[in-house]
Amino acid sequence: SQQGEEDPQALSIQEGENATMNCSYKTSINNLQWYRQNSGRGLVHLILIRSNEREKHSGRLRVTLDTSKKSSSLLITASRAADTASYFCATDSGGGADGLTFGKGTHLIIQP
Amino acid sequence: GAGVSQTPSNKVTEKGKYVELRCDPISGHTALYWYRQSLGQGPEFLIYFQGTGAADDSGLPNDRFFAVRPEGSVSTLKIQRTERGDSAVYLCASSSGLAEYDEQFFGPGTRLTVL
Repeated sequence: SQQGEEDPQALSIQEGENATMNCSYKTSINNLQWYRQNSGRGLVHLILIRSNEREKHSGRLRVTLDTSKKSSSLLITASRAADTASYFCATDSGGGADGLTFGKGTHLIIQP
Repeated sequence: GAGVSQTPSNKVTEKGKYVELRCDPISGHTALYWYRQSLGQGPEFLIYFQGTGAADDSGLPNDRFFAVRPEGSVSTLKIQRTERGDSAVYLCASSSGLAEYDEQFFGPGTRLTVL
């Protein structure tokens, strides 16, 4: 079963704008990760945030985590057409190598 | 370098048939995972191997599904008596299995269609 939900389910913005996607989950977690999936490159890991972290940056990506609300957000700044993809959050609740629990995803479309 | 590969890329079968899906992980990765992704959904965990043994098979939906990894490298997901509801993309991922957090690298998937 899915751990959580991303919202919105779909998002369409103009190139250059910022895109924000949210993820909620149900149980306690060890790590939360964001993945991107498009037809050209399959499922690609973007960024990981640990349960004791509140914010993390990687290039144009910014991830926040609020464990009290069991939620995370992914911000993509200065969006590009190549950012068009589905974005998923995934959680793991154990230590070490662990099966991931994915949300349903947000489909992001960047209009040129 | 070579990533995770999966064969076949597409498989069409008839209801009731048996299918095998293959995964070649990244060389040296001891952890291997299978996921299933239905249309419009996120991937759903099926089973995780550490070496040759299944460390967690709690995601397998029923006993028609079975997976092996006899030499700790290539893995095969086997589905018996396929049903139309088994139609999905089956994803394989591998990781080094060494670190507290271990990034999973995903293959392109096998799209299974059961007619």
